[in-house]
Amino acid sequence: IAGITQAPTSQILAAGRRMTLRCTQDMRHNAMYWYRQDLGLGLRLIHYSNTAGTTGKGEVPDGYSVSRANTDDFPLTLASAVPSQTSVYFCASAPGPATSPLHFGNGTRLTVT
Amino acid sequence: QKEVEQNSGPLSVPEGAIASLNCTYSDRGSQSFFWYRQYSGKSPELIMFIYSNGDKEDGRFTAQLNKASQYVSLLIRDSQPSDSATYLCAVCGLHGSSGGSNYKLTFGKGTLLTVNP
Repeated sequence: IAGITQAPTSQILAAGRRMTLRCTQDMRHNAMYWYRQDLGLGLRLIHYSNTAGTTGKGEVPDGYSVSRANTDDFPLTLASAVPSQTSVYFCASAPGPATSPLHFGNGTRLTVT
Repeated sequence: QKEVEQNSGPLSVPEGAIASLNCTYSDRGSQSFFWYRQYSGKSPELIMFIYSNGDKEDGRFTAQLNKASQYVSLLIRDSQPSDSATYLCAVCGLHGSSGGSNYKLTFGKGTLLTVNP
């Protein structure tokens, strides 16, 4: 079934540890996005990639990095996790830039202690 | 800062009624408008999108766009308990300085809809 796969589903992480959230899509979408969703703050864009080989910063990029080595994969790395990064993280993709509707993965619930 | 505003709710309607969800946006140059539904603990899923002024209907859902008033709404007819969810409005416009062509999708914080049996 075509779609977006995120891993892990949930994770508890000690502060200061490095963590990579994985995102893979099999729809051959050009654009991919990472959002975090926090109660009362809604969905906020962390990083995006309009096409393989390019990335850009979103609204809340600090403390996060991404890479886009190929069309399918868009991992999000927390170099040194802090408690404020406790959130639900959604990966999304779209055929083109943000004028196209987004398809979301199932999310990763991350708790930093 | 470009903003998308929604009433957080909760909006409570009886089963069979029309639910009206509203969204305003600040960027007059916005080009695309989306409504997503998000059940508790789940990811957002696309309900409707609209690009032009006027109404767009899909089954029980109607999206309405008024660019002059910078207003987009979602009507749900014959509301069902299964419609109970948070509805997210998202607006797409150009992002960054001139010379670039980066689009940015901005989400509202969502309206919680409860449909009572």
